Amino acid sequence: DAKTTQPPSMDCAEGRAANLPCNHSTISGNEYVYWYRQIHSQGPQYIIHGLKNNETNEMASLIITEDRKSSTLILPHATLRDTAVYYCIVRSSGTYKYIFGTGTRLKVLA
Amino acid sequence: DVKVTQSSRYLVKRTGEKVFLECVQDMDHENMFWYRQDPGLGLRLIYFSYDVKMKEKGDIPEGYSVSREKKERFSLILESASTNQTSMYLCASTFPGQGYEQYFGPGTRLTVT
Repeated sequence: DAKTTQPPSMDCAEGRAANLPCNHSTISGNEYVYWYRQIHSQGPQYIIHGLKNNETNEMASLIITEDRKSSTLILPHATLRDTAVYYCIVRSSGTYKYIFGTGTRLKVLA
Repeated sequence: DVKVTQSSRYLVKRTGEKVFLECVQDMDHENMFWYRQDPGLGLRLIYFSYDVKMKEKGDIPEGYSVSREKKERFSLILESASTNQTSMYLCASTFPGQGYEQYFGPGTRLTVT
């Protein structure tokens, strides 16, 4: 099963871009990378996912390296409401299991 | 909007009680999941269901059972609650296959005294 590793915590100034890295060096060719976030005492919220190409939606951008061994979630203009734990997840190929990483606790500072 | 709802946000039960946690989704998803989340341990999969009446054990099924009689509803059952089952319980649902995101409910914080 592909595993993910993330830094335990990061700070970001309000209004600046937040760049959250994730390492998934053992990812297989057909395994997607998903990003979720969890605000205190709530269920995880889906942000974005990708396979090979970079992806963008109204919440964030996902940059996946060409070798697919790492990715970066970009929140272009962080706000205080973006303070949360961000999880990088790989869906294990051929199974139903989603492998949750340890998460990065992002704190957006005023 | 996809909605995954859970029957209770907070629940307090006594040791030995039988506890039912209910989860309902409104998107016709085939796959449904029960996780528990504990500090320092992240999300751990308890059980998974890929269709009505079908279930598979996850990583930590001991002390739990599940029921899926209808596609939209997935129940987690603690046959005899114990204090080590005090936790946040999260339900999720999704379509099968790669490329589909999981939608999570708000969670149930269960305390067993």
